[in-house]
Amino acid sequence: SQTIHQWPATLVQPVGSPLSLECTVEGTSNPNLYWYRQAAGRGLQLLFYSVGIGQISSEVPQNLSASRPQDRQFILSSKKLLLSDSGFYLCAWTDLRTGNSPLHFGNGTRLTVT
Amino acid sequence: DQQVKQNSPSLSVQEGRISILNCDYTNSMFDYFLWYKKYPAEGPTFLISISSIKDKNEDGRFTVFLNKSAKHLSLHIVPSQPGDSAVYFCAASPNQAGTALIFGKGTTLSVSS
Repeated sequence: SQTIHQWPATLVQPVGSPLSLECTVEGTSNPNLYWYRQAAGRGLQLLFYSVGIGQISSEVPQNLSASRPQDRQFILSSKKLLLSDSGFYLCAWTDLRTGNSPLHFGNGTRLTVT
Repeated sequence: DQQVKQNSPSLSVQEGRISILNCDYTNSMFDYFLWYKKYPAEGPTFLISISSIKDKNEDGRFTVFLNKSAKHLSLHIVPSQPGDSAVYFCAASPNQAGTALIFGKGTTLSVSS
């Protein structure tokens, strides 16, 4: 069965510091991978998605970036965090080869920028 | 520009009664709709979905209804249980390769015993 791992679970970082959140998927190959953010009162906002290694689409301009160095690895980064980057970050995957396929989420990372 | 709207931030229901969560969308290209349930400090979990070729899909206590002409869908939970207390997100997609789900802001359901 497929599983998704996301770490760390919680993170407190000062403004201006770098960020690296990692997500890996097991039990499938060539998944579509996504980063979402849940900010207070704003629901789930799509940040990035990837349909393959090195292929990244950005949905929201910001100081975050994403990379997919391996088929089942998705990384969310920032060179300098802002206070507004605080939120709950969620990685997700889906297999579009099976037609209508729901997103499967990791347990998320709670990021607090101080 | 919100393409998926959940206009009720919260809903309170007594155990055993029906919970009805509503969702409206604006993009006529959406043809795949889902509901997710989320507990605090956890990722959302997939609950039920419906394709635009159907108007109803049922899975145990959960039923999703789709009204394409009104661009409206709803989730019915019968009977409601205290363990159903969570945030429920509606999501939609045009089901094209490489696109992602668009989520509403969520409705917090509280089921009291």
